[in-house]
Amino acid sequence: EPEVTQTPSHQVTQMGQEVILRCVPISNHLYFYWYRQILGQKVEFLVSFYNNEISEKSEIFDDQFSVERPDGSNFTLKIRSTKLEDSAMYFCASSDEGSGYGYTFGSGTRLTVV
Amino acid sequence: QKEVEQDPGPLSVPEGAIVSLNCTYSNSAFQYFMWYRQYSRKGPELLMYTYSSGNKEDGRFTAQVDKSSKYISLFIRDSQPSDSATYLCAMSRTGGGNKLTFGTGTQLKVEL
Repeated sequence: EPEVTQTPSHQVTQMGQEVILRCVPISNHLYFYWYRQILGQKVEFLVSFYNNEISEKSEIFDDQFSVERPDGSNFTLKIRSTKLEDSAMYFCASSDEGSGYGYTFGSGTRLTVV
Repeated sequence: QKEVEQDPGPLSVPEGAIVSLNCTYSNSAFQYFMWYRQYSRKGPELLMYTYSSGNKEDGRFTAQVDKSSKYISLFIRDSQPSDSATYLCAMSRTGGGNKLTFGTGTQLKVEL
């Protein structure tokens, strides 16, 4: 069964450092998303991406965050200057249509900012 | 008022029990309703989705949506220890950015 692959599974970084989280969505999917889940809290939407541009972003997704699809397979989330409160699980997801269901999530990257 | 509310549990039931999981929501624009299962430190896995009101059955799982009450349910029949996980409800509007709005999740433990 096709899956969304995320790397690394766990990343530790120092406060103020830049991190790039990587995702390989399912190959025929057209819509890509990043969500995050702070420990013990709900899964929160960060950003959606379609046709090489951001289609929607949340208030969490401020100027410190950016997304990119540098080639035909990867989808990345960059955090420019990490803060302690950025520590969370980050989930990439993709879907083959935009109605909001039929998402496939990756297993996540656990980001720890120290 | 939170957009999506879900009892966090934990909910502990004996094997074979019928489990009822519920969410309420406040945004009447939601049209698509989903249930995800999440194991510890893993990504959400889609179990069921429903468009608008009505019921949908898939094996031991039944999803119900009552848009007039802004209330959705997931029933699990003949629950198994392997059903032990956190169950997340999620919903989205028609069109828009298609983002999902999640509930906090209900932690379920099915005991032998």
